[in-house]
Amino acid sequence: LAKTTQPISMDSYEGQEVNITCSHNNIATNDYITWYQQFPSQGPRFIIQGYKTKVTNEVASLFIPADRKSSTLSLPRVSLSDTAVYYCLVGEGYSSASKIIFGSGTRLSIRP
Amino acid sequence: EPEVTQTPSHQVTQMGQEVILRCVPISNHLYFYWYRQILGQKVEFLVSFYNNEISEKSEIFDDQFSVERPDGSNFTLKIRSTKLEDSAMYFCASRGIGEGADTQYFGPGTRLTVL
Repeated sequence: LAKTTQPISMDSYEGQEVNITCSHNNIATNDYITWYQQFPSQGPRFIIQGYKTKVTNEVASLFIPADRKSSTLSLPRVSLSDTAVYYCLVGEGYSSASKIIFGSGTRLSIRP
Repeated sequence: EPEVTQTPSHQVTQMGQEVILRCVPISNHLYFYWYRQILGQKVEFLVSFYNNEISEKSEIFDDQFSVERPDGSNFTLKIRSTKLEDSAMYFCASRGIGEGADTQYFGPGTRLTVL
């Protein structure tokens, strides 16, 4: 499994766009990039997954450059309720590999 | 939207007692998981389960732990003799066929407190 590196914490304000970057220099050809969100005392929640270029859904956008050695989760116009820990994962999206290995994630704090 | 449910939301037990944590995965999912998160620490993988057998387990998942799918809907985690260090949030997750291993749906968790 490719190792990922992301900031330990970030602060922002309501209404701002927040970009969280994750480094994964050893990403393999078959690996997908997945982001999860975890609110306090709740289970992790799948946000978005991508392989290359850009993926967008109702929650976030995921930008992946051509070399795929990093990715950026973009949260548009954050609100207080976006305060959470965000985890970047890299792994074979469609393999039989079972477990998710969570790192420490990025603790995002949104201020009014 | 279908979701994973877990009961109870909070379980308090005495050291040495047995506990059973229950999960109802999303109905058409076939891969099931248990994770735990000690307060302030990372989410840790415990065990994965597919086709009525354990696919993989971590070092944490020792002989005190067992999992079972007693019927078509429930998935349980049993801790035979709880220890103080078993106090944690326990999350059940499930995944459907055709979805990637990284696309798992987590339940709200059971907070286990061992006294």
